[in-house]
Amino acid sequence: DIQMTQSPSSLSASVGDRVTITCQASQDISNYLNWYQQKPGKAPKLLIYDASNLETGVPSRFSGSGFGTDFTFTISSLQSEDIATYYCQHYHDLPPSFGGGTKVDIK
Amino acid sequence: QVQLVQSGAEVKKPGASVKVSCKASGHTFTAYFIHWVRQAPGQGLEWMGWLNPSSGGTKSAQKFQGRVTLTRDTSISSAYMELSSLRSDDTAFYYCVRARLGGGPRYYFDSWGQGTLVTVSS
Repeated sequence: DIQMTQSPSSLSASVGDRVTITCQASQDISNYLNWYQQKPGKAPKLLIYDASNLETGVPSRFSGSGFGTDFTFTISSLQSEDIATYYCQHYHDLPPSFGGGTKVDIK
Repeated sequence: QVQLVQSGAEVKKPGASVKVSCKASGHTFTAYFIHWVRQAPGQGLEWMGWLNPSSGGTKSAQKFQGRVTLTRDTSISSAYMELSSLRSDDTAFYYCVRARLGGGPRYYFDSWGQGTLVTVSS
């Protein structure tokens, strides 16, 4: 099974800061990678699909990049409503699996 | 709009079974696979399996094989996840998730149910 390693596990940043999260796959997954946002007490929400495509309706301050084994998720200017845990997820083969999550809060 | 509405919270004793329902609306039920993902309180996300609502075909994670049963009732656009031989470490939120297809083998978890908390306790 493919393992997804996310870092950091948590971070604190100020409103307006640029925030970057990394995700590494244990083997080449091409760009079969999605990013989700989960707010406390809520279900996850799809933000980015195929590593770099912004889901419809998602603000443009969110972006993703990467290919192969190394991926990056960026919030260009952190807003208070972005407080959440973010997960990467591969779907290269079965089973799809998620990274351990990155909890983002406001400094 | 697309909605997945799940059944309410359950409390079960170890060794029992639980069946969670997921009613879909806002899209053609048979056109999208339904996946099940669980999340222990304060923990990460774990994929359990998928159901093809059109054919009834299923695939489950090796970890759950023999314990999980995925079914559907197309007449009421509902999917079901039954987990048997429950243990305390099965305590989790269980989510049904719609998989939107991209080109070829690509798919994305684009709509999630609200989650059903299953608590296993003696």
